[in-house]
Amino acid sequence: GNSVTQMEGPVTLSEEAFLTINCTYTATGYPSLFWYVQYPGEGLQLLLKATKADDKGSNKGFEATYRKETTSFHLEKGSVQVSDSAVYFCALSDRAAGNKLTFGGGTRVLVKP
Amino acid sequence: NAGVTQTPKFQVLKTGQSMTLQCAQDMNHNSMYWYRQDPGMGLRLIYYSASEGTTDKGEVPNGYNVSRLNKREFSLRLESAAPSQTSVYFCASIGQGLVGSNQPQHFGDGTRLSIL
Repeated sequence: GNSVTQMEGPVTLSEEAFLTINCTYTATGYPSLFWYVQYPGEGLQLLLKATKADDKGSNKGFEATYRKETTSFHLEKGSVQVSDSAVYFCALSDRAAGNKLTFGGGTRVLVKP
Repeated sequence: NAGVTQTPKFQVLKTGQSMTLQCAQDMNHNSMYWYRQDPGMGLRLIYYSASEGTTDKGEVPNGYNVSRLNKREFSLRLESAAPSQTSVYFCASIGQGLVGSNQPQHFGDGTRLSIL
């Protein structure tokens, strides 16, 4: 079956620091990959996505590249802000599995001023 | 506001009580999903409905039932609530395009359910 593994948090950073959240996946088909962000008290919002190998998703200064050879989709941001404090979820969607999303466990990020 | 609307936002139940969580989307999406979120476990799929008139079990369906009332609405029912069902419940929907799996799911703001 499909699975997603991401680094456990919490990750605590200072403002303007570099952020990396590791994500690896296992899938039987050809999945699309997503990063979702959840701010306190809110639902999940799509942050970025990539639909095939070597695609790079980017949004709000965040980037992630779909690496088929390493089955990874690591999230990076060069200079974080306090407003980036949230929980980040890596997920995959497999059309062969009815477009159901498989999520990683989430990584809480706390950015201090 | 367009999107996925969940009601209620908060609820406290006693063990054995029943309850229905409501979800509606106004984006004309075909597929709808119910997830539960527990600390450190991400979101786990309870049930989903690929299209109006169909429902299927997800990863953790025990103790729940669902109804796809129409294209807009997808409800989740707890017939006899148990403390293990204390969680945050999220409803999501997705449209169907030529390449369906490329489209992201849209999530509601969640229902925080506590069972005493």
